[in-house]
Amino acid sequence: DTGVSQDPRHKITKRGQNVTFRCDPISEHNRLYWYRQTLGQGPEFLTYFQNEAQLEKSRLLSDRFSAERPKGSFSTLEIQRTEQGDSAMYLCASSLLDTEAFFGQGTRLTVV
Amino acid sequence: GDSVTQMEGPVTLSEEAFLTINCTYTATGYPSLFWYVQYPGEGLQLLLKATKADDKGSNKGFEATYRKETTSFHLEKGSVQVSDSAVYFCALSSSGGSYIPTFGRGTSLIVHP
Repeated sequence: DTGVSQDPRHKITKRGQNVTFRCDPISEHNRLYWYRQTLGQGPEFLTYFQNEAQLEKSRLLSDRFSAERPKGSFSTLEIQRTEQGDSAMYLCASSLLDTEAFFGQGTRLTVV
Repeated sequence: GDSVTQMEGPVTLSEEAFLTINCTYTATGYPSLFWYVQYPGEGLQLLLKATKADDKGSNKGFEATYRKETTSFHLEKGSVQVSDSAVYFCALSSSGGSYIPTFGRGTSLIVHP
């Protein structure tokens, strides 16, 4: 297994545009997490899936954000009507239920 | 809810110096504890873990001991190298937090030759 992969690595978009990120977890992992990280901060939890069910969403996740994990495999995170405050590193991680999480390399979003 | 507090950085050391990065936690239930390392522009890599009280996690010369009585999980290394320069994150997951990993703010380590 090649680990958790995220695509794209970098995304520059104009304010007001929609963007979508993809995450491919480690194949046998049933949990998939999305985090956001800004400069000088630790990862902040956004949402997670157990298999295909989205079980929890953070208050950080505004209604412009939506995540899916069809068939319990890869996941997408979409941001609609991007704002400059959305500029951050978006991290995906996967795990088995109560074991350590493994992270992808992240997608760096810049909203101009 | 679950939370992690780390010492603020940056921590600046000379090569071969001793490293300690402090981490304390608050959690419901009996958490598992982790240290992750992040190099510039990259995601987080698991460095070590401990799943029960008094366990010692170790990897690449780094060590941390799970201290339930002081709710701490301090990271140590006897002799740092320039290549250890990175940001280090303490984290936990617990049944009370639905096993969602919770992270501290990170501590930047800079090692000079």
